[in-house]
Amino acid sequence: GESVGLHLPTLSVQEGDNSIINCAYSNSASDYFIWYKQESGKGPQFIIDIRSNMDKRQGQRVTVLLNKTVKHLSLQIAATQPGDSAVYFCAENISGYSTLTFGKGTMLLVSP
Amino acid sequence: DTGVSQDPRHKITKRGQNVTFRCDPISEHNRLYWYRQTLGQGPEFLTYFQNEAQLEKSRLLSDRFSAERPKGSFSTLEIQRTEQGDSAMYLCASSSKGQGIGNEQFFGPGTRLTVL
Repeated sequence: GESVGLHLPTLSVQEGDNSIINCAYSNSASDYFIWYKQESGKGPQFIIDIRSNMDKRQGQRVTVLLNKTVKHLSLQIAATQPGDSAVYFCAENISGYSTLTFGKGTMLLVSP
Repeated sequence: DTGVSQDPRHKITKRGQNVTFRCDPISEHNRLYWYRQTLGQGPEFLTYFQNEAQLEKSRLLSDRFSAERPKGSFSTLEIQRTEQGDSAMYLCASSSKGQGIGNEQFFGPGTRLTVL
């Protein structure tokens, strides 16, 4: 498989813009999805989750959209702030199984 | 702070030495997971406990790796005869069945291992 190594896909935005981070998941049997935020040197931090019987779920400043037809997940962050700068990972899970399978991360850079 | 805690946060060791990491999950969580993360990659699943029972192990978990959760609370991950390829961030997560809409896992800060 392709090795991303240090070259993460990067999204650069200005403070106050809306950000959209995309993720393609791999397993059509997955029925639960989570977005995590990971700052440098820290563990992943839960942001928002969604089940496969939903196509949209909203949190505080964040919205997750799920398109099962094309196995695509997106995270929308409204009014992006410098504190949102981090690497964002999507993770998928099949109910009844313990494993979270993480996608390739996207680095979000927010400039003031 | 009532989140997942891990100790130590950083460990530097020489190749061939044994190391042990500890994870304290969120107190009411009965499920505990270990993951490994290398630079630029997402976490990769290693093993999973429900209470004290180790129910699943990844093929990434070689014979040199062993994990325990003797009383169903904290867990330890031991790596014997460390190799340079073991250098990574070791993450612990916990969850509770029936909480939330799915298998919502909460992660600790990780232990960064460097093998010289």
